[in-house]
Amino acid sequence: EVHLVQSGAEVKKPGESLRISCKASGYSFTSHWISWVRQMPGKGLEWMGKIDPRDSYTNYSPSFQGHVTISADKSISTAYLQWSSLRASDTAIYYCARREYNKNYGDNWGQGTLVTVSS
Amino acid sequence: SYVLTQPPSVSVAPGQTASITCGGDHIGSKNVHWYQQRPGQAPVLVVFDDSDRPSGIPERFSGSNFVDTATLTINRVEAGDEAAYYCQVWDAHSDHWVFGGGTKLTVL
Repeated sequence: EVHLVQSGAEVKKPGESLRISCKASGYSFTSHWISWVRQMPGKGLEWMGKIDPRDSYTNYSPSFQGHVTISADKSISTAYLQWSSLRASDTAIYYCARREYNKNYGDNWGQGTLVTVSS
Repeated sequence: SYVLTQPPSVSVAPGQTASITCGGDHIGSKNVHWYQQRPGQAPVLVVFDDSDRPSGIPERFSGSNFVDTATLTINRVEAGDEAAYYCQVWDAHSDHWVFGGGTKLTVL
């Protein structure tokens, strides 16, 4: 059975760095893209970007380019989303989702990671 | 960038049919996917490629897509269907996903 298990909730201060993770199991990690999706409190879903675990090729939404970094370690079937300097406006739930290479939807999602940024 | 427009809310009585629309320029030429997100939970794919259902999704969920509007239809609505529903397409020009703003389905 496919599982995407994300790291736990985080509370950080503005300006701090953070990396959250998404560990895949139940399938070949290098056979699917991983996308990251943001959901701000009470709001809808926003696509942030994706990574190809085979070669770590990434593609970012312009709204997030330069503010976050998506990476992956195929040796441990884990994708990451990281910030070098958090803002209060980064407070949100972040989801990872898996996508087959020839498909354009997320067929399995992680449970979400709540990131709270507050001074 | 490509824009998808959904009504903020739809209400329906139990046992009736709910229709949730997703508007976009020439959306009929794209594949549309739908997600259900119950409160406090992660999104779940309920319809992909306009009208296909993943395994485990009831036949009560169906989809269509014509010209400028895609529609998610839920027949014989149950209390457990109360959730937010999001449409999504792939923008081939940018290679990005695009989500609609979401529709909150209320079961009266």
